Amino acid sequence: QKEVEQDPGPLSVPEGAIVSLNCTYSNSAFQYFMWYRQYSRKGPELLMYTYSSGNKEDGRFTAQVDKSSKYISLFIRDSQPSDSATYLCAMLEGAQKLVFGQGTRLTINP
Amino acid sequence: GAVVSQHPSWVICKSGTSVKIECRSLDFQATTMFWYRQFPKQSLMLMATSNEGSKATYEQGVEKDKFLINHASLTLSTLTVTSAHPEDSSFYICSARDLRTGSYEQYFGPGTRLTVT
Repeated sequence: QKEVEQDPGPLSVPEGAIVSLNCTYSNSAFQYFMWYRQYSRKGPELLMYTYSSGNKEDGRFTAQVDKSSKYISLFIRDSQPSDSATYLCAMLEGAQKLVFGQGTRLTINP
Repeated sequence: GAVVSQHPSWVICKSGTSVKIECRSLDFQATTMFWYRQFPKQSLMLMATSNEGSKATYEQGVEKDKFLINHASLTLSTLTVTSAHPEDSSFYICSARDLRTGSYEQYFGPGTRLTVT
């Protein structure tokens, strides 16, 4: 069993839809949770960064962490074609090591 | 701010040759740099962690004699793939972090696509 599980998709939705992306994890030691966006043939860029259980909002993006269920989510409201990318969840193991999910390929159709 | 560059962005080499990839932090000092590889439609897998002036720490299953990492300064780390073979073809991505800020955030480079023929 992988430490971090993420549905690879692909996920295709119409413009304006609410998108929900999810990851589950097995390691209770994970304390920091990140969401990265990666465009094709580019490096990942950090979108959201959370520590505790609960919700964190940044513009159209909301990150949700449920440590009791070992489940994290990223919601994208009013999705735009420019949001089309691969979204990777990542979790910090110890002080330095990031463990990534497989990534979900998202397409927003105009 | 917090820009990381990689060079080259893509490289094609013949089997048996060595290839060097550079990773630079352009506007901050990177006490720690990380090297990842990513196969098509798969996630990033950490290969090694390097601290400036120290030997790199390799993840289990990564051959340190094949993937040579040097982090000689606070702005530059290099990954050399020695005696490359077609199975080494992959997307190599570095990231950098300044431990002194207290932030856990890693800043990623744009990646280098290596094709070994």
